[in-house]
Amino acid sequence: DVKVTQSSRYLVKRTGEKVFLECVQDMDHENMFWYRQDPGLGLRLIYFSYDVKMKEKGDIPEGYSVSREKKERFSLILESASTNQTSMYLCASRRLAGGAYNEQFFGPGTRLTVL
Amino acid sequence: AQSVTQPDIHITVSEGASLELRCNYSYGATPYLFWYVQSPGQGLQLLLKYFSGDTLVQGIKGFEAEFKRSQSSFNLRKPSVHWSDAAEYFCAVGDGRDSSYKLIFGSGTRLLVRP
Repeated sequence: DVKVTQSSRYLVKRTGEKVFLECVQDMDHENMFWYRQDPGLGLRLIYFSYDVKMKEKGDIPEGYSVSREKKERFSLILESASTNQTSMYLCASRRLAGGAYNEQFFGPGTRLTVL
Repeated sequence: AQSVTQPDIHITVSEGASLELRCNYSYGATPYLFWYVQSPGQGLQLLLKYFSGDTLVQGIKGFEAEFKRSQSSFNLRKPSVHWSDAAEYFCAVGDGRDSSYKLIFGSGTRLLVRP
């Protein structure tokens, strides 16, 4: 069964802290994605990785960085958390072979609150 | 720029009634279109997708969607709604080359089901 897991379901951090959100997939997918989800805005792409050590900025990369050292793991880093980064963060993965036909598989999300 | 519009933020229907959720897209070429559902506390799950061919697409859980190029629409329908269908629904359009294929999401429609 396809699985994307995220390290925490709920996380509370303080302003200025460095925050790591971890995502692991067990499907040997090449592509991985980080989104943030806010009411009324849908899902917005922060960063994606099309393969190991490859990364590309999405629509809202400011204040975030990512790391993909292993194929199965994609980390989102908030270098200095701010209150406007309070949000739901969703990770997804996708197989490259087969092209655009392939769906993205999503993790359950991490609800991050920055105080 | 590519975009997806879901004009209804909330929709309430009675259990057993029919459902139609609207989605309009803006895309220069033939679009690849998706509908995802997010149940409370869950990640997103793919309901159905359209790439080419028959414009009426069948999905899981009894959902279907119809692609209408002339109206730039991809509306989701279900003939008889169940209480378990209460969730948030997202329409998305695919964008990019195979290696860096991304999804652009609408802002979502929250479905409430009256008993």
